[in-house]
Amino acid sequence: GAGVSQSPSNKVTEKGKDVELRCDPISGHTALYWYRQSLGQGLEFLIYFQGNSAPDKSGLPSDRFSAERTGGSVSTLTIQRTQQEDSAVYLCASSPSTGGNSPLHFGNGTRLTVT
Amino acid sequence: GENVGLHLPTLSVQEGDNSIINCAYSNSASDYFIWYKQESGKGPQFIIDIRSNMDKRQGQRVTVLLNKTVKHLSLQIAATQPGDSAVYFCAETGSGTYKYIFGTGTRLKVLA
Repeated sequence: GAGVSQSPSNKVTEKGKDVELRCDPISGHTALYWYRQSLGQGLEFLIYFQGNSAPDKSGLPSDRFSAERTGGSVSTLTIQRTQQEDSAVYLCASSPSTGGNSPLHFGNGTRLTVT
Repeated sequence: GENVGLHLPTLSVQEGDNSIINCAYSNSASDYFIWYKQESGKGPQFIIDIRSNMDKRQGQRVTVLLNKTVKHLSLQIAATQPGDSAVYFCAETGSGTYKYIFGTGTRLKVLA
């Protein structure tokens, strides 16, 4: 079946511009995560959605970052007024459940380059 | 996705040999562990998982070993192939949490 789909796969933007990254999770997966992967770093947690519950936004690095998940499915991560330090790969993952029961399924990410 | 970093520990293995990749996990309360493979330009791909009530689990050409006493996890790949070249990292989580903790990874290079 279809896996987690992310778009665009690559995004080059100028400093100060806003960007939107999209994630289409696996159908039926209630949990959705955004991570950031930078050179030399492990996966950095950004935000977590579970069903209709309030999201855990504790990992968002600044108020320039926001995310939403419409209808419990597609999610969009928005970065406003991008900075060069925002350059990274942004990964989305989904899971059918949480609580240490199942692995996360990742998309191929969006590589963001801020010039 | 991209391979994690330029300064990852690297394991070079001759094609056909067995590979062992190690991971020290951080939380003694973690009870579910996962190994991922990440090829260049792709997202992490699930390989195998293990729960804390087990100390060994086997898949196709892969075996995961768990030592809870020293909080150590290892991934063994039998008869390593060129297609196994990638970054491998472990993840841990626990019952009652939705947070996963990821290791920084080991780069596996398979020599022909």
